[in-house]
Parts: sequence; structure tokens; C-alpha cells
Amino acid sequence: NAGVTQTPKFRVLKTGQSMTLLCAQDMNHEYMYWYRQDPGMGLRLIHYSVGEGTTAKGEVPDGYNVSRLKKQNFLLGLESAAPSQTSVYFCASSYYPTGGYTFGSGTRLTVV
Amino acid sequence: GESVGLHLPTLSVQEGDNSIINCAYSNSASDYFIWYKQESGKGPQFIIDIRSNMDKRQGQRVTVLLNKTVKHLSLQIAATQPGDSAVYFCAENQTGGFKTIFGAGTRLFVKA
Repeated sequence: NAGVTQTPKFRVLKTGQSMTLLCAQDMNHEYMYWYRQDPGMGLRLIHYSVGEGTTAKGEVPDGYNVSRLKKQNFLLGLESAAPSQTSVYFCASSYYPTGGYTFGSGTRLTVV
Repeated sequence: GESVGLHLPTLSVQEGDNSIINCAYSNSASDYFIWYKQESGKGPQFIIDIRSNMDKRQGQRVTVLLNKTVKHLSLQIAATQPGDSAVYFCAENQTGGFKTIFGAGTRLFVKA
């Protein structure tokens, strides 16, 4: 049982480049989330999904887009990367909306 | 404003001693609280949760206490071990679902 798998684990982008972060879960969870983690600021919610085909904005959605075409996958896209998007990105999933989350191991993104 | 905070950013304890990590929250409407552990280079891992209709909940070597009167949450770790060294986050779920707020974290150091 792999849980939540994130790819890639590390990435360096130049300003203006685009990329997609992939999150896959094998627990049949309905709810999936993308967070970013910055030093001293805790985890901040970017976007979330309450089921296949649905997405919603979180606390810090600007500059990001998401898609949930399949229940097990939640993609986070950066259309035009900026240095302010340098962060560690975590995907999480849960069975209930207020339940404890299962997190992936993270993607460390650096935008130069 | 609404926030979930921590009283101490770092905590150092001797191996074998008990650890207490504190957390304050400001929204009396929150009804679900979770503690997560994050080891270096990994995603947060669910430790224990508690609902607002409870004052105390015990797990394996961990106990969470909730004091709704003063809006305070604590995590107690019994017989702290080197493997307990990590950053511990409290998290708060707002009534109505998806808006989980994470604290900035407390780093626990365990001295051998």
C-alpha cells in the first residue's frame, strides 16, 4: 500500500517556465489537497478537491491550477513559475473532509 | 483573527523524559483537532486527533488534552525516544469542512 505518492521529488525551474506536479493515492479517498510549506509559515492550502471532477480554491490559489480527472490523481500546475513559488509542496488525501490527512513525501521546487 | 499557534518554537528534552507540546487556537467554532509529526525530508504524519466533545484522548505513548475554556491543546509524549525528534504541528478543522489550519510547528529535540 503506497499511500500518497508525489512526483517529482525535486525540481528547479527558471522564472516563466511551467510544470505539473503529480499526486496519486491508492486509498480510494474522496478528498485531496495541495499544500505549500514555507519556513515559519506552516502549511497553507492551495487547492483542494472533494471528488473526481471537482476542484476548489484554498487559501493561496493564485498562480496555480489543478485538475482531478481521475479519483486517484490530483495534479497541480504552475503556468508561469515565479521565485515566490519556491517552496515545498505537499499533497494529501482523506476519507472524510475533516478527517486526518495522509500526506505525500513532498516536492521541493526552486524557481530561479 | 483565527489562528492556530504554538507557545514554543523548539523543545529539548532528555531521552526517557516526558514531552509536552502546547498549542493555542482562537476559533471556538473549531470542532476537530489533530496533531501531526513531520520528520526531516518527509511529509507530516497523523499522530492523534480529538473532537471538541472530548477533553482527553490517549494513544500509544501519546495523549492529547483539549481545554476548550482557554482554547488550548497539548500533546504529551511519554518516555520520549530519539525517534520522536521531529517537528510537531497542531491543526484545527473549522466547522463545515475543508479549511484546516495548521500551526507553524514546534521542533522537538531529544537528547541522548
